[in-house]
Amino acid sequence: KQEVTQIPAALSVPEGENLVLNCSFTDSAIYNLQWFRQDPGKGLTSLLLIQSSQREQTSGRLNASLDKSSGRSTLYIAASQPGDSATYLCAVRNRDDKIIFGKGTRLHILP
Amino acid sequence: NAGVTQTPKFQVLKTGQSMTLQCAQDMNHNSMYWYRQDPGMGLRLIYYSASEGTTDKGEVPNGYNVSRLNKREFSLRLESAAPSQTSVYFCASSERPSGNTIYFGEGSWLTVV
Repeated sequence: KQEVTQIPAALSVPEGENLVLNCSFTDSAIYNLQWFRQDPGKGLTSLLLIQSSQREQTSGRLNASLDKSSGRSTLYIAASQPGDSATYLCAVRNRDDKIIFGKGTRLHILP
Repeated sequence: NAGVTQTPKFQVLKTGQSMTLQCAQDMNHNSMYWYRQDPGMGLRLIYYSASEGTTDKGEVPNGYNVSRLNKREFSLRLESAAPSQTSVYFCASSERPSGNTIYFGEGSWLTVV
């Protein structure tokens, strides 16, 4: 059974700092891993999708890496801004096509 | 572009009542999903459908039934609502091959009193 863990559960950092969010999964037989952002009371916004054959993906100030063999992914946010404050969710797509989420990391960027 | 559409957006039910959450996607996707989200719990998969006429249990299927009558629509039914089913429900869809991204509806806020 696939289990997805995100550490830390919550994080507060001053504006301008670089930060790393972590995601780990127990079953490495995955198709892909995806990072989402969720603002309070809102739906999910897709940030980055990494295929199982890829090592990383970049979009603007965001960089996501994937080490499938060790069951780990990181989301790196450069030069954080108050607008980055949100909950960040990691999701893995299993070989049976089910998509399993972690519990998320609540990020607060201090102005 | 409508994408994934869920109805209703808000609903209050009494314990024991039944209701159906409707979901439709216009992207011709094969795979569809129902999730629930509770505070601090992320999204938990309730049911999954790989194609029309097929469904499979997810992480938390108890108390729910689903129906995938055609490729577009995937409904979630609560036969006898319980306060523990108070949650935000998200429907999602995705295309195969399985390397593609998943698209979400805007969510349905359900309160069982």
